[in-house]
Amino acid sequence: QVQLVQSGAEVKKPGSSVRVSCKASGGTISNFAISWVRQAPGQGLEWMGGIIPILGTAEYPYNFQGRVTITADESAATAYIDLSGLTSDDTAIYYCARTYYYNTDGYFRFDEMDVWGQGTTVIVSS
Amino acid sequence: DIQMTQSPSSLSASVGDRVTITCLASQTIRNYLNWYHQKPGAAPKLLIYAASSLRRGVPSRFSGGGSGTVFTLTISSLQPEDFGTYYCQQSFTTSVTFGGGTKVDIK
Repeated sequence: QVQLVQSGAEVKKPGSSVRVSCKASGGTISNFAISWVRQAPGQGLEWMGGIIPILGTAEYPYNFQGRVTITADESAATAYIDLSGLTSDDTAIYYCARTYYYNTDGYFRFDEMDVWGQGTTVIVSS
Repeated sequence: DIQMTQSPSSLSASVGDRVTITCLASQTIRNYLNWYHQKPGAAPKLLIYAASSLRRGVPSRFSGGGSGTVFTLTISSLQPEDFGTYYCQQSFTTSVTFGGGTKVDIK
């Protein structure tokens, strides 16, 4: 059974960038998408985007476009999220999740997320 | 973006109670609706996909229903391990969105 193992906690200064990694253990990421979801302290879940590694196609919600980059290295079974221009509002737990995807009307959609990483805490503080 | 509204935002129920959580979509999403359960300090876990399909290994006391804009998650007989927060998620559009969550406490 595949597990997703994320990199360790980070403490960053405002204005800097952070990279979080997500490695598939016991399987590959080739046949699925990988989503990134974050959760601010005491708040709900927020989708930050996803990638279909076999296609190299990434999608981002409007509010993260230009600040988030999601990439994947199929050979290393690892996905990454880069977030720039950090502010205190980016303090959160960041999760990766294996995601089913489907194609309709020529567009790819990210569907249910069935395997989640353990989460990576990112703290932004001066 | 499609807005997902859950109700109630929190509830307290006794072991054995029947519990229903509602999720409303701001526009039709057909049956592209998934449900998750999250316990404090842990990652979310998938319960239901495609509005009503039970994920393998999830207890049968959980069920999902609805289509279009109105969806429900029902726990037929609440168990102590069911505490935590439940989230709905739409996957009809490329930009995935979650509901705000429903926190369930055990009386």
